Amino acid sequence: AQSVTQPDIHITVSEGASLELRCNYSYGATPYLFWYVQSPGQGLQLLLKYFSGDTLVQGIKGFEAEFKRSQSSFNLRKPSVHWSDAAEYFCAVVPGDSGYALNFGKGTSLLVTP
Amino acid sequence: DGGITQSPKYLFRKEGQNVTLSCEQNLNHDAMYWYRQDPGQGLRLIYYSQIVNDFQKGDIAEGYSVSREKKESFPLTVTSAQKNPTAFYLCAARSGQNSYGYTFGSGTRLTVV
Repeated sequence: AQSVTQPDIHITVSEGASLELRCNYSYGATPYLFWYVQSPGQGLQLLLKYFSGDTLVQGIKGFEAEFKRSQSSFNLRKPSVHWSDAAEYFCAVVPGDSGYALNFGKGTSLLVTP
Repeated sequence: DGGITQSPKYLFRKEGQNVTLSCEQNLNHDAMYWYRQDPGQGLRLIYYSQIVNDFQKGDIAEGYSVSREKKESFPLTVTSAQKNPTAFYLCAARSGQNSYGYTFGSGTRLTVV
């Protein structure tokens, strides 16, 4: 079955430390890949997306993600986390059916400690 | 500014009552989507519509209904048949078949008591 997996439900990092959020997908072909961030009670904001080309993608707020076809992964990274990065992060794919609807992972909740 | 408006932000209803959530966009986007969000479950697709007067069921359509009479509007009705309607509902729009630019509304939190 096609799926998106975010293995870490919660992650806690210290402010200034580096961050990596994991995302794995299971699809027949390379899907279009996205990372979104959500603050409590709010909608989703796009951090970055990958369609093709350079496998290292730069996004907003200092985030980047690397697509690794051999590992079916699209992990999100940030070299130095700020307290304002505390939020829920979602990895998503567009499999190409279902009207090009985004298919989301279950999310990773990031807590940033002083 | 172009965007998606979901109203109201908070909605309370008694069990057994139908309730309609509003989603309006001024982006002139063709496709619209409804998602349900529960803690630890991510976002799950309820219904989607790619053109006016056409819509399709998503993964969890049971107990929900939609209409798409106008391009800019895609209301979602949560019926009394939905067993666990309390959730956060998000509406989204996408501009066209070959476009992957999605815009999300700010959501409606529905509480059924």
